[in-house]
Amino acid sequence: AQSVTQPDIHITVSEGASLELRCNYSYGATPYLFWYVQSPGQGLQLLLKYFSGDTLVQGIKGFEAEFKRSQSSFNLRKPSVHWSDAAEYFCAVGPDSGGGADGLTFGKGTHLIIQP
Amino acid sequence: GAGVSQSPSNKVTEKGKDVELRCDPISGHTALYWYRQSLGQGLEFLIYFQGNSAPDKSGLPSDRFSAERTGGSVSTLTIQRTQQEDSAVYLCASSFQGDQPQHFGDGTRLSIL
Repeated sequence: AQSVTQPDIHITVSEGASLELRCNYSYGATPYLFWYVQSPGQGLQLLLKYFSGDTLVQGIKGFEAEFKRSQSSFNLRKPSVHWSDAAEYFCAVGPDSGGGADGLTFGKGTHLIIQP
Repeated sequence: GAGVSQSPSNKVTEKGKDVELRCDPISGHTALYWYRQSLGQGLEFLIYFQGNSAPDKSGLPSDRFSAERTGGSVSTLTIQRTQQEDSAVYLCASSFQGDQPQHFGDGTRLSIL
């Protein structure tokens, strides 16, 4: 069965510093990978997705992620964080492109705290 | 355009009561998903609808849970004889097709007293 691991439950970063959130997945074939962000009381907003092709994908709000098949990783990065980036971040894998019959499998999330 | 709309945004009910949660997907989206988000279990996939096809119900946590989708659009998730462990945020998502990224609503926060 597929699974997603986000090893960091909490991460604290100073405003203006760079950010990397880790995500590792277990999946039997080429995965379809996603990063979502959730602010308190809100639903999930899609930051970026990887389906195929270029392994470095660009998303909204200045985020990017790199798919590394050899490491089964899909880490999220941002060169300079803003206070408004404080939120919960979820990595997810789909059984095929977008979800299909089994929906998405999510990691437990990483809570990002921004220090002034 | 309008996003995925869920109602109510909050629901408090007594143990043993039935509840209905509603999801209105983005217009034109044929695929609709329900998830449950709780502190202990994180985000769990519950059920998926593609158009008017019969859904795969194997992800529903118990036979007290049911879902339907009328006319390929609005969906309702019904929980019968609610238990305290049903307390969670129930999220709905939709996508243009089953092979496109999912867009989420803001969820219904369900509290069972």
